[in-house]
Amino acid sequence: NAGVTQTPKFQVLKTGQSMTLQCAQDMNHEYMSWYRQDPGMGLRLIHYSVGAGITDQGEVPNGYNVSRSTTEDFPLRLLSAAPSQTSVYFCASKTDWTASTDTQYFGPGTRLTVL
Amino acid sequence: GENVEQHPSTLSVQEGDSAVIKCTYSDSASNYFPWYKQELGKGPQLIIDIRSNVGEKKDQRIAVTLNKTAKHFSLHITETQPEDSAVYFCAARRPQGGFKTIFGAGTRLFVKA
Repeated sequence: NAGVTQTPKFQVLKTGQSMTLQCAQDMNHEYMSWYRQDPGMGLRLIHYSVGAGITDQGEVPNGYNVSRSTTEDFPLRLLSAAPSQTSVYFCASKTDWTASTDTQYFGPGTRLTVL
Repeated sequence: GENVEQHPSTLSVQEGDSAVIKCTYSDSASNYFPWYKQELGKGPQLIIDIRSNVGEKKDQRIAVTLNKTAKHFSLHITETQPEDSAVYFCAARRPQGGFKTIFGAGTRLFVKA
């Protein structure tokens, strides 16, 4: 298993540009999520999905869109990038959304800089 | 709102010494407390976790303790080694509201050889 994969590893955007951060997992996990990591602030949840076709907002959803058309993929879209979105983005997955399975597996991250 | 505070933000120890990282949480409904280790350039990786019905859990050199009354939980690493150097995150998860996990700000641990 490759686990959770993310592309690209690094990206530089200009303000107003759009892009999609890709995330895929090959563990047949129902639950997938996106976090952003900023210095001194830990990880903050952007959006999550409990299964194909189902998504919901996390703590900091503004400026980001997600979709979940397949179990494997959970892309994160920035429609109009802003400097405040400069961060490291992590995708994570776990078996399902119930309380009995809690271990989240994180991808390697995407470092995004918005100029 | 829910909050997890983590201390210290930076910790430097000599190889072989113990390291302790402490967290407090605000949401009394939280019932699951994972700890993650993040090495440079990588994503966080779960190293140990504890549920609210347990007071202590140990896995080799790593242990976690939980005081539900005080809403404190701690990570203890004994006999530290240089490869323990990393950023450690505590987190607290509540069972409602999408099973939201709130992370602490992280502790950067340096183990000096």
